[in-house]
Amino acid sequence: GENVEQHPSTLSVQEGDSAVIKCTYSDSASNYFPWYKQELGKRPQLIIDIRSNVGEKKDQRIAVTLNKTAKHFSLHITETQPEDSAVYFCAASEADSWGKLQFGAGTQVVVTP
Amino acid sequence: SQTIHQWPATLVQPVGSPLSLECTVEGTSNPNLYWYRQAAGRGLQLLFYSVGIGQISSEVPQNLSASRPQDRQFILSSKKLLLSDSGFYLCAWSLTGYNSPLHFGNGTRLTVT
Repeated sequence: GENVEQHPSTLSVQEGDSAVIKCTYSDSASNYFPWYKQELGKRPQLIIDIRSNVGEKKDQRIAVTLNKTAKHFSLHITETQPEDSAVYFCAASEADSWGKLQFGAGTQVVVTP
Repeated sequence: SQTIHQWPATLVQPVGSPLSLECTVEGTSNPNLYWYRQAAGRGLQLLFYSVGIGQISSEVPQNLSASRPQDRQFILSSKKLLLSDSGFYLCAWSLTGYNSPLHFGNGTRLTVT
């Protein structure tokens, strides 16, 4: 099955700086990669996703890049704000199933003013 | 639009007592349904998933069980709770097929005392 590793486990950034979270996956047939943001005590919410036929996708201050050859994908947050503080999870679909997602362990992002 | 309802929001139960958590989805038919558990400060552990009525797959052996009595209803149960069952339980749904994001309910915070 799919195995997803996520780094770093914690990330502290100054407000206004950029944050980058990286994930690697093991199954070269995986073709869908969503990112979730979970605020303290809340449910995870989808913030952006990318499919394997696309190398990069942007949505305002958030972007995701995918390198299929290296089997890694990254989340980029620019101009960070205190409300970006949360736990972020990456995920990859398991291609040999009906698309079940395998999640990374999460990254705690802290944005300090 | 689709919505997911999960209840109760919080629950405190003694060790050895039974458990029933319920989740319903509105606005879609034949969704894939999931139960996840999240221990404090940890990642998302998939417990059960279902691709149709009466079809349940278990990811982790434990004293929990799941049932899907109706198309958009998913129930998580236990006959006797253990202390280790404490955690944040999240129901989620996705469209059938590949490359579909998960949409999480608001979660149930279960404390077993």
